[in-house]
Amino acid sequence: NAGVTQTPKFQVLKTGQSMTLQCAQDMNHNSMYWYRQDPGMGLRLIYYSASEGTTDKGEVPNGYNVSRLNKREFSLRLESAAPSQTSVYFCASRRGLAGGFQYNEQFFGPGTRLTVL
Amino acid sequence: EDKVVQSPLSLVVHEGDTVTLNCSYEVTNFRSLLWYKQEKKAPTFLFMLTSSGIEKKSGRLSSILDKKELFSILNITATQTGDSAVYLCAVEKGGSEKLVFGKGTKLTVNP
Repeated sequence: NAGVTQTPKFQVLKTGQSMTLQCAQDMNHNSMYWYRQDPGMGLRLIYYSASEGTTDKGEVPNGYNVSRLNKREFSLRLESAAPSQTSVYFCASRRGLAGGFQYNEQFFGPGTRLTVL
Repeated sequence: EDKVVQSPLSLVVHEGDTVTLNCSYEVTNFRSLLWYKQEKKAPTFLFMLTSSGIEKKSGRLSSILDKKELFSILNITATQTGDSAVYLCAVEKGGSEKLVFGKGTKLTVNP
């Protein structure tokens, strides 16, 4: 199993450009998440999807959109990138409550380092 | 507002020392508390705690939860340079798929 995979690993954008970060998991997990991590800020939740076909806002959703394409894939889109979106982005997944699993940890992908100039 | 506070924010010790990392929380409808280790890449899972007073152990690492006082500690005995990392604490709320993370404790173990 590859676990949680993310593409690309690195990206440099100019202000105003758009891009989509891709995430896929092969663990048959129901729930998927997008976080951003900035120095000294821990992990902040951008969006999550509790099951295929549903998405919900997290703590810092402004400037982002998501798509739960199917059970395996959850993408994050920046429509018009801003320097404040320079960060490391992590995707995560877990079995989740929809699968009837009450206690289960999140598994993280390797991250995407994004710089917006 | 839900809050998870970790202390200290950073810590420098020598190999062989024992360290205690703290995590306090204020969340409604607590379900579980999780500890992760992050070494310049993706966080990796260490422990999940759901009940007070039951210690979880893995080698030199151990953790315990106090649901009355709303905190958890992560102990690392006989530290090694490979323990150098950021340790993240997160709390899960009941009925929610979301985790609330603290800002992390950066541990540096010098030889």
